[in-house]
Amino acid sequence: AQSVAQPEDQVNVAEGNPLTVKCTYSVSGNPYLFWYVQYPNRGLQFLLKYITGDNLVKGSYGFEAEFNKSQTSFHLKKPSALVSDSALYFCAVRAQDNYGQNFVFGPGTRLSVLP
Amino acid sequence: NAGVTQTPKFQVLKTGQSMTLQCAQDMNHNSMYWYRQDPGMGLRLIYYSASEGTTDKGEVPNGYNVSRLNKREFSLRLESAAPSQTSVYFCASSRPGLAGDPARNEQFFGPGTRLTVL
Repeated sequence: AQSVAQPEDQVNVAEGNPLTVKCTYSVSGNPYLFWYVQYPNRGLQFLLKYITGDNLVKGSYGFEAEFNKSQTSFHLKKPSALVSDSALYFCAVRAQDNYGQNFVFGPGTRLSVLP
Repeated sequence: NAGVTQTPKFQVLKTGQSMTLQCAQDMNHNSMYWYRQDPGMGLRLIYYSASEGTTDKGEVPNGYNVSRLNKREFSLRLESAAPSQTSVYFCASSRPGLAGDPARNEQFFGPGTRLTVL
């Protein structure tokens, strides 16, 4: 079975400080991993993904994430948070060789960047 | 390009009423999806269509039906709405991937339909 955990419902950070939104996953074999962001009253928007190769993935709006196979984690990071980064963030996973399955999304983490 | 569009944006139904949620994409994507979003539960897949002419059940299909009308359009129907179907519904689409597996590619989401069933 596939699963995703986002252990923090809410993350608060001051503007200009680094931010981390955590994601851990469970799949059989190697994963495809994605981060999406949702602004109020909008659909999800793609931020970045890990498919294969370099463990450090860079994405939109200055976000990056590091795939850590031993810890089964894919934490989202940004060196300097902006107030406009305040949104709901979702991690999603699917096993690479599991064609019959679809992505499992985590419950979401609400990020608040305080001015 | 409009991307993924959904109609209506809001809907209020009474228990037992039926309705169809419409979704269309103009990106020539093969795969399309319907999700529901409930507080604290993330997105759960209702149905998906890997390509035109095919549909498959997702995690929570009970109470719903779908139609892949053509490559662009994928509709979701509630035949007899129940209060448990109060949710925000999102349609998404994605490009085909290697060997027909779209999972390597990101999904593009519509703006959502907020449905309340009284």
